[in-house]
Amino acid sequence: SQTIHQWPATLVQPVGSPLSLECTVEGTSNPNLYWYRQAAGRGLQLLFYSVGIGQISSEVPQNLSASRPQDRQFILSSKKLLLSDSGFYLCAWSPSWPGPYEQYFGPGTRLTVT
Amino acid sequence: QKEVEQDPGPLSVPEGAIVSLNCTYSNSAFQYFMWYRQYSRKGPELLMYTYSSGNKEDGRFTAQVDKSSKYISLFIRDSQPSDSATYLCAMTPTDKLIFGTGTRLQVFP
Repeated sequence: SQTIHQWPATLVQPVGSPLSLECTVEGTSNPNLYWYRQAAGRGLQLLFYSVGIGQISSEVPQNLSASRPQDRQFILSSKKLLLSDSGFYLCAWSPSWPGPYEQYFGPGTRLTVT
Repeated sequence: QKEVEQDPGPLSVPEGAIVSLNCTYSNSAFQYFMWYRQYSRKGPELLMYTYSSGNKEDGRFTAQVDKSSKYISLFIRDSQPSDSATYLCAMTPTDKLIFGTGTRLQVFP
């Protein structure tokens, strides 16, 4: 069966510090991978998605970036965090083409920027 | 107008009630429809998904899609306190899901 891992689970970082969140998927190959942010009481905002190694699409202009160095590894980074970067970060995977592209989420990382 | 509209609630019901959760959408190209359950401080969990119109049942849960009205529903029978969570609808014609903002459900004993 497939499993998705995210770490760390919680993170408190000062403004201006760098960020690296990691997501790995087990039990499947060539998945689509997604990064979302969920602000308190708000919906899911798609940040990045990837259909293959080195292929990253950015949905929202911001100071975050994503990389996919291996087939089942997805990394979210920032060089300098802003207060507005606080939130609940979720990684998800879905089967690739032809669909239905149902997404399976990881446990999330709760980031607080102070 | 948002592509997907979902009443945020909260919806408060007694244990054993039938719950109806709904979403409306505007894009007629949507083909796949999904429902997720999210407990507080956890990642969303896929409950079920359907393709195009019709009904799909899984235990106490029934998903219904009416493409002519651009309306989808999730029914929960014999609701339990453990069903208390936020329910998110999602839909897509492609490999990116469009999510509703979620309906918070509270089932009290």
